[in-house]
Amino acid sequence: NAGVTQTPKFRILKIGQSMTLQCTQDMNHNYMYWYRQDPGMGLKLIYYSVGAGITDKGEVPNGYNVSRSTTEDFPLRLELAAPSQTSVYFCASSYSPPAAAGFYEQYFGPGTRLTVT
Amino acid sequence: AQKVTQAQTEISVVEKEDVTLDCVYETRDTTYYLFWYKQPPSGELVFLIRRNSFDEQNEISGRYSWNFQKSTSSFNFTITASQVVDSAVYFCALSEDAGTASKLTFGTGTRLQVTL
Repeated sequence: NAGVTQTPKFRILKIGQSMTLQCTQDMNHNYMYWYRQDPGMGLKLIYYSVGAGITDKGEVPNGYNVSRSTTEDFPLRLELAAPSQTSVYFCASSYSPPAAAGFYEQYFGPGTRLTVT
Repeated sequence: AQKVTQAQTEISVVEKEDVTLDCVYETRDTTYYLFWYKQPPSGELVFLIRRNSFDEQNEISGRYSWNFQKSTSSFNFTITASQVVDSAVYFCALSEDAGTASKLTFGTGTRLQVTL
């Protein structure tokens, strides 16, 4: 049971380039999330998904896109990378029945450190 | 809007000292959930504890204990007899119960340094 895996671990992008951060979970969790963590700050929610085919914006969605075609995968796409997107990106997943969605803890991947120069 | 405040940016203690990490939250929801996560130097986030707004019982797990007080909107975390392995950044987080996904609002974290 690998839990939540993310690739790549590190990446350097030039301004204007695009890339996809991969996230896979093998726990059959229905909810998945993308966060970014800037230095000295807590995590901020970018996008989340309540199930395959359903995604929604979080607190800081601008400059990002997501899709969820399967339960296991939740890739995050950066279009036209900007220096402001330099951050550590965490994917997470959780399972809960919809009526108690807030109750269950999230399991986090190891993170992807992205630098845009 | 929800908010979590961890006023202590960094704490340094000597091994075996007790240390308390403070967490104050704001929410208009009557049902909510509070969490503590640990982020060791390796970078991943590790779940420590969850509390719902209707359960004000304190909890102890080994050297860790948590004090939840709704009257002061606080959910403080105490490590007894700290060890070097406790060195990490600790995050307090709040989740609303909106019937949708668990959207966590994180504090800015407290970096705990335990030295010999």
